[in-house]
Amino acid sequence: KAGVTQTPRYLIKTRGQQVTLSCSPISGHRSVSWYQQTPGQGLQFLFEYFSETQRNKGNFPGRFSGRQFSNSRSEMNVSTLELGDSALYLCASNPSVRGMNTEAFFGQGTRLTVV
Amino acid sequence: DAKTTQPPSMDCAEGRAANLPCNHSTISGNEYVYWYRQIHSQGPQYIIHGLKNNETNEMASLIITEDRKSSTLILPHATLRDTAVYYCIVETDKLIFGTGTRLQVFP
Repeated sequence: KAGVTQTPRYLIKTRGQQVTLSCSPISGHRSVSWYQQTPGQGLQFLFEYFSETQRNKGNFPGRFSGRQFSNSRSEMNVSTLELGDSALYLCASNPSVRGMNTEAFFGQGTRLTVV
Repeated sequence: DAKTTQPPSMDCAEGRAANLPCNHSTISGNEYVYWYRQIHSQGPQYIIHGLKNNETNEMASLIITEDRKSSTLILPHATLRDTAVYYCIVETDKLIFGTGTRLQVFP
């Protein structure tokens, strides 16, 4: 069974640009969550999508957005990039049909560098 | 904010049991205790979870106190590959990671 796939693995962008990251969950998983990891703030929850609807949201500005498609694949977008957005962005997929984050499976992440 | 408190770091000799404590004194009745670990530069990996009873799987054991205010993750025979940051999470509908415990297994 294929794991969670995140693309691209590495990305370099310039301040002010926007970026789109992609996550393909494990087949059959309907919940996808996104996290940002930085050395200073650790792992922080961005948002969660379940059946194409955003179900939970963390404390991030509106520049961070996401969506989920009917095949459960998810994308997150960051607009007007700032240097502080440089981070490892992790996606997790969840098999739970109860809507809870049980046994989340994480991808390898996309490392974004903003210059 | 994370609802758990963990020591920032621990050491363990290879082959010995690693016992990682976690305090979650404000846990409510329907909240599970989850453990994940993150090996450098990789995505977090699920280890085990439990509600009230002790749990065991092929990776680890989870001991939850009767009042559910604390728990201990036990890696019965630590190896060098178990060196990682271990996160204890009290979860309802989303995973909120704290700072975790950095476990160093030494030869």
